[in-house]
Amino acid sequence: NAGVIQTPRHKVTGKGQEATLWCEPISGHSAVFWYRQTIVQGLEFLTYFRNQAPIDDSGMPKERFSAQMPNQSHSTLKIQSTQPQDSAVYLCASSLEGFSNERLFFGHGTKLSVL
Amino acid sequence: AQKVTQTQTSISVVEKTTVTMDCVYETRDSSYFLFWYKQTASGEIVFLIRQDSYKKENATVGHYSLNFQKPKSSIGLIITATQIEDSAVYFCAMREVNNNAGAKLTFGGGTRLTVRP
Repeated sequence: NAGVIQTPRHKVTGKGQEATLWCEPISGHSAVFWYRQTIVQGLEFLTYFRNQAPIDDSGMPKERFSAQMPNQSHSTLKIQSTQPQDSAVYLCASSLEGFSNERLFFGHGTKLSVL
Repeated sequence: AQKVTQTQTSISVVEKTTVTMDCVYETRDSSYFLFWYKQTASGEIVFLIRQDSYKKENATVGHYSLNFQKPKSSIGLIITATQIEDSAVYFCAMREVNNNAGAKLTFGGGTRLTVRP
């Protein structure tokens, strides 16, 4: 079991460019979560999918951020027109069925740096 | 809205001693789950232990145990016989049980533990 795989590990973009972050959940897991981690804000929930359907995107910035899960094996987080304040570690996590008592398995994260 | 607070930003202890990390939470739900996760120096976040709000007995896993005080909305993590490799950032987190199964996990700000020889 390779765990949750996130690619790339590091991404550097220029201000105004687009960034796409990829996540491959653990095989058989039906729930996928995206979090963002910064020194100032800590771990912030962004969005989550269950059985590929978006369930809660209450943490997603309304502009420039979007997430998709086109199939069971991967999810993407896209940031359009990146800004310096988007610099953070973006973490993907998965769980077996998405129930509230389940532990999350986290990927190693993608460190996004916007210059 | 749910909120999780860890007031201790950092703790330093000597190896083989016991340490307690504090966490308080706010919720309107009568049922919820409380978790502790650990983030290592490499950035990896791993699950440690869970407490179900409806259970009176404190959860224990290996050398991790919890001090659950529901009237105080408090869930402390106790690590006994600490080891150098326990040095990490520890996060308290909460998930409410609601009709939308799989509610989001809300994290506290974290406590950095340093275990020194």
